[in-house]
Amino acid sequence: GDSVTQMEGPVTLSEEAFLTINCTYTATGYPSLFWYVQYPGEGLQLLLKATKADDKGSNKGFEATYRKETTSFHLEKGSVQVSDSAVYFCALVGKTSYDKVIFGPGTSLSVIP
Amino acid sequence: GAVVSQHPSRVICKSGTSVKIECRSLDFQATTMFWYRQFPKQSLMLMATSNEGSKATYEQGVEKDKFLINHASLTLSTLTVTSAHPEDSSFYICSAPQIRDTQYFGPGTRLTVL
Repeated sequence: GDSVTQMEGPVTLSEEAFLTINCTYTATGYPSLFWYVQYPGEGLQLLLKATKADDKGSNKGFEATYRKETTSFHLEKGSVQVSDSAVYFCALVGKTSYDKVIFGPGTSLSVIP
Repeated sequence: GAVVSQHPSRVICKSGTSVKIECRSLDFQATTMFWYRQFPKQSLMLMATSNEGSKATYEQGVEKDKFLINHASLTLSTLTVTSAHPEDSSFYICSAPQIRDTQYFGPGTRLTVL
C-alpha cells in the first residue's frame, strides 16, 4: 500500500540555519504530496503541496519539489526562525485513495536562538 | 482563518462515561470527513471516514461500537467515544476536503479519561 517515510527527529538547529527534512514515498501512480505543520498543542496546518511531477510547493519561506524519479518531496528552508519550531508531517493522497491522507511519522524541529 | 472547527478543544471525563466530539466545516459543505487519532509524539492514525447520509467506514482495528460516528449534515460530523477508558485518552483530529486532494484539519480535541 501507499506509504510515506521521513527522517526521524528531533532536529535541533540554530536560528538562521538551513533546514532540510527528507521525505520519500511509495504509491501507485502519481499521488498528490503535502507538508503539514503542527505547532505544540494544536491541530495540523497545510504548509504546502504539489500535485504533479516537478511541481514546487512553497509557503512562508519553505519549499518542496515533487521528484518523481526519486519519489521524494524534501522540505527546505533557507533560514529558520524560532517560530518554526514544530512537528512537520509529510503526507500523500493517492489517486485511488478517495482523499485519504497517508502521513509520515513526523519530524520534530526545534530552533534555538 | 480556520475552515474546520472542533468542539470541545479539551475534555476530561470519568472512566465509563461517553464523550461526544463535534467537527464542523465552516463555509463549505463536506460530504466526507475523516477522524484521526494521535498519540503523544506520534503521527496521525486514520480511524474512520464519515459519510453524510450513510454509515461511516472504519479502518481495520478500530472498534465501530466504541467510536460512534454520525454525519448529521453536510457541515457536521460527530465522534462519540462510548464507555471511555484511560487508554482512550488521546488527541482526536477531524478533517474535511474543501478542494480536491487537500484536507483541512480541525484544531483537535484533547481527551483525558480519568
